[in-house]
Amino acid sequence: VQLVESGGGLVQPGGSLRLSCAASGFTFSSYNINWVRQAPGKGLEWLAYISATSTTIFYADSVKGRFTVSRDNAKNSLYLEMNTLRDDDTALYYCARDHLPIFGVGSPFDPWGPGTLVTVSA
Amino acid sequence: EIVMTQSPATLSVSPGERATLSCRASQSVGSKLAWYQQKAGQAPRLLIYGASTRATGIPARFSGSGSGTEFTLTISSLQSEDFAVYYCQQYHDWPPITFGQGTRLEIK
Repeated sequence: VQLVESGGGLVQPGGSLRLSCAASGFTFSSYNINWVRQAPGKGLEWLAYISATSTTIFYADSVKGRFTVSRDNAKNSLYLEMNTLRDDDTALYYCARDHLPIFGVGSPFDPWGPGTLVTVSA
Repeated sequence: EIVMTQSPATLSVSPGERATLSCRASQSVGSKLAWYQQKAGQAPRLLIYGASTRATGIPARFSGSGSGTEFTLTISSLQSEDFAVYYCQQYHDWPPITFGQGTRLEIK
């Protein structure tokens, strides 16, 4: 069971970036997936949730209207489109799977990918 | 939004001793509480869910207890590999899912 993020990099304030998360070793289409970020030296911040069939999507207030989560179950992939990036979006971005393939209830996250670093700076 | 507060921020314990980490929720989360371990340069790893159930492969020296608003993670006999940052997470009332600010467990 593995998740691997990609797409991070250096971007200017106001810019855009698209992160990807490639899944393997499990039935991707059965699991809800989340994005979580961690600013340098800081704690964990949940950002977004997408259900297994994309019917339910939630965002943290801090990214609502700027970030869009999507998935392609045929490609076992998850995406995070990030627009209007700000300095405080600088962080390591993780994708994290719900522990169990159950819809509609909260779940711990397991496993997590190793993360991809996004740096927003002029 | 449920606020999770962990204490202490830093805990210094000698190898072989017991460590007790606390997590408090601003309102009841039932037993929908998880603990994670994060080592430097690594992603978080799920240790405990349902307040007291060890995740697959987690050693028995890790135990969780509590319900409602007060929770504890106990590491019975610290090994060198246990020194890390620990986070609690509530998944009872969401969105948003919320994490505590973390407790750094360091070698005394």
